[in-house]
Amino acid sequence: TQLLEQSPQFLSIQEGENLTVYCNSSSVFSSLQWYRQEPGEGPVLLVTVVTGGEVKKLKRLTFQFGDARKDSSLHITAAQPGDTGLYLCAGDRGYNKLIFGAGTRLAVHP
Amino acid sequence: NAGVMQNPRHLVRRRGQEARLRCSPMKGHSHVYWYRQLPEEGLKFMVYLQKENIIDESGMPKERFSAEFPKEGPSILRIQQVVRGDSAAYFCASSPRTGLQDYGYTFGSGTRLTVV
Repeated sequence: TQLLEQSPQFLSIQEGENLTVYCNSSSVFSSLQWYRQEPGEGPVLLVTVVTGGEVKKLKRLTFQFGDARKDSSLHITAAQPGDTGLYLCAGDRGYNKLIFGAGTRLAVHP
Repeated sequence: NAGVMQNPRHLVRRRGQEARLRCSPMKGHSHVYWYRQLPEEGLKFMVYLQKENIIDESGMPKERFSAEFPKEGPSILRIQQVVRGDSAAYFCASSPRTGLQDYGYTFGSGTRLTVV
């Protein structure tokens, strides 16, 4: 049973389109992190959200933490080919270990 | 480059051999975490170590797997008598102290283990 469900699993879009990736759970998390992973590399931390309802922006990326701290979303505006990669959400339940979702594989075509 | 260093990047072992994966944390980081990633899956926690101490090994298989983080030198993840199912990417991460809310992980580039 996947504790963190990510959707969609795969997303293929054209440059300039907007997209939203979801990360859902029935469990409450102390914080939630989003990572991006490129082929052959380790995940790179994009953002950490801590407070329920929190919204953080990173250039064209907008991250939101649900009010109940059980879910999160990542919205990308005007996607570019450089955004291509595997996006992973990971929840912290306070035991110094992260629970990762299976990821959303995004392909942005020029 | 003061990032998390993992070596080797790629490791091929025959069934029954031993695999040793090494991880040098970022300078100043004393907390090390090992994760395993199977194809098309997210990362799964294996073990959390501080210098000379295993803090949480709840994600480690009970047999054949061991980890250490000695006072001097890198952290080592050791897999004895490897089987095909051990083929995966193994990632190490480090942090300066506890508190994921304040100190996120920095991951290494991983070791891709292939058992033939």
